[in-house]
Amino acid sequence: AQKVTQAQTEISVVEKEDVTLDCVYETRDTTYYLFWYKQPPSGELVFLIRRNSFDEQNEISGRYSWNFQKSTSSFNFTITASQVVDSAVYFCALSEDGAGSYQLTFGKGTKLSVIP
Amino acid sequence: GAGVSQTPSNKVTEKGKYVELRCDPISGHTALYWYRQSLGQGPEFLIYFQGTGAADDSGLPNDRFFAVRPEGSVSTLKIQRTERGDSAVYLCASRLDRVNTEAFFGQGTRLTVV
Repeated sequence: AQKVTQAQTEISVVEKEDVTLDCVYETRDTTYYLFWYKQPPSGELVFLIRRNSFDEQNEISGRYSWNFQKSTSSFNFTITASQVVDSAVYFCALSEDGAGSYQLTFGKGTKLSVIP
Repeated sequence: GAGVSQTPSNKVTEKGKYVELRCDPISGHTALYWYRQSLGQGPEFLIYFQGTGAADDSGLPNDRFFAVRPEGSVSTLKIQRTERGDSAVYLCASRLDRVNTEAFFGQGTRLTVV
C-alpha cells in the first residue's frame, strides 16, 4: 500500500532563512508520481510540482527546489530565502500508476511559519 | 469557470440530517475526485469519477456517503444521517484526464455536524 510520511509537523523559521521540508514515501509500484501542494490559510490546495518515478533530476523554480532520491524514497522540498508569504501547510503526495484512479495519497502536512 | 468551485463554503447541520455538497469542476475536465480533510490531517481520498461513472469509490467510509455526477460535469456528494465524526473539510479536485496531470482543487466545503 502506498504511504507518505512527513515527519515534521511544524517548522518555524525567521524570514530569509532557508528551510527544507522532508517527505518519505512507500510504494510497490515501479511507476509513480510525486507531488507537492501548498495550502495557505484560505484552504485551497495549490499545486507546486509533479515528478514521475523515472525522472530523478532535481528541479529549481525560483526560490523553490526539490530533491528526489529513489534510493532513500525521499522527495524533499527546499525554500531558499523564505518569506512571510511562504507561511502555509505543505503537503507531499503520491499517486501510483497501478491505481486506475491515480488518486493522491497525502502526508499529514508540515505547517511552515515564517516569522518576520 | 476559471477554477473548481464548491458550494456551500460552510455548512452547519444537526446530527442525523441529510446534506448535499456540490462541486463544479473546470470545464472539460473528465476526472473528478472527492477528498475529505480532517483537522490537522492531509486530504483522504473518497471517490473518483471518470465522466459520469464512479470508477473508484473505495474511499467512501460507509454507505451513508454517496456521490453522483449525472452529466459528467457537476458532482454532488451526499451524506445521509450525518454524525459528528463527519465534520471535516470536503475537497473536490478535477483533472483534464485520469492520467497524472495536475489536479486542481476547490476551496472546499467545511461541514460541521452539531
